[in-house]
Amino acid sequence: SQQGEEDPQALSIQEGENATMNCSYKTSINNLQWYRQNSGRGLVHLILIRSNEREKHSGRLRVTLDTSKKSSSLLITASRAADTASYFCASNDMRFGAGTRLTVKP
Amino acid sequence: DGGITQSPKYLFRKEGQNVTLSCEQNLNHDAMYWYRQDPGQGLRLIYYSQIVNDFQKGDIAEGYSVSREKKESFPLTVTSAQKNPTAFYLCASTTYQGYEQYFGPGTRLTVT
Repeated sequence: SQQGEEDPQALSIQEGENATMNCSYKTSINNLQWYRQNSGRGLVHLILIRSNEREKHSGRLRVTLDTSKKSSSLLITASRAADTASYFCASNDMRFGAGTRLTVKP
Repeated sequence: DGGITQSPKYLFRKEGQNVTLSCEQNLNHDAMYWYRQDPGQGLRLIYYSQIVNDFQKGDIAEGYSVSREKKESFPLTVTSAQKNPTAFYLCASTTYQGYEQYFGPGTRLTVT
């Protein structure tokens, strides 16, 4: 079963713009994680937000969590061409969604 | 350097043959996972192990088998019973289930 569902499936923006991706999940969670995957590579952990946290920052990343809506969002500010990748959310049961493919145009 | 290694990076097999994918970690992690990824898709959990000599089926375990005889190693065998084995296979590990996973570089398996 798939726990996380990312939205949109694909996102294309210009360098310097902000990118927002959303994740919805089905059951109660202890935490939610966001990962990044460059084409043909393994995933890299970006950030973990616990169920008792509402917002977390890491560099240009901002993650929010709304447990009442069972949703989370990942905001990448001042995007760069190097941010082009797929982004996935996963809950603590280690199930991943289908991901959002982000393209940042120079 | 600590990390997860998967070998080989590319693997080609004929239909009807079993094939074993290697996954080794030197992070001293207890839990290890195998995922399958099809083009443009997300990750689907095949098997996971939280401790040596114990493992559980994930969401798509049919046609796959695993073993966990050592903490460092979690090999995945793709058997001839797997109807559509061509995919990208990713191995991951974590200190404790539900926390940050470290991923290997993946093995791309092509069966013809």
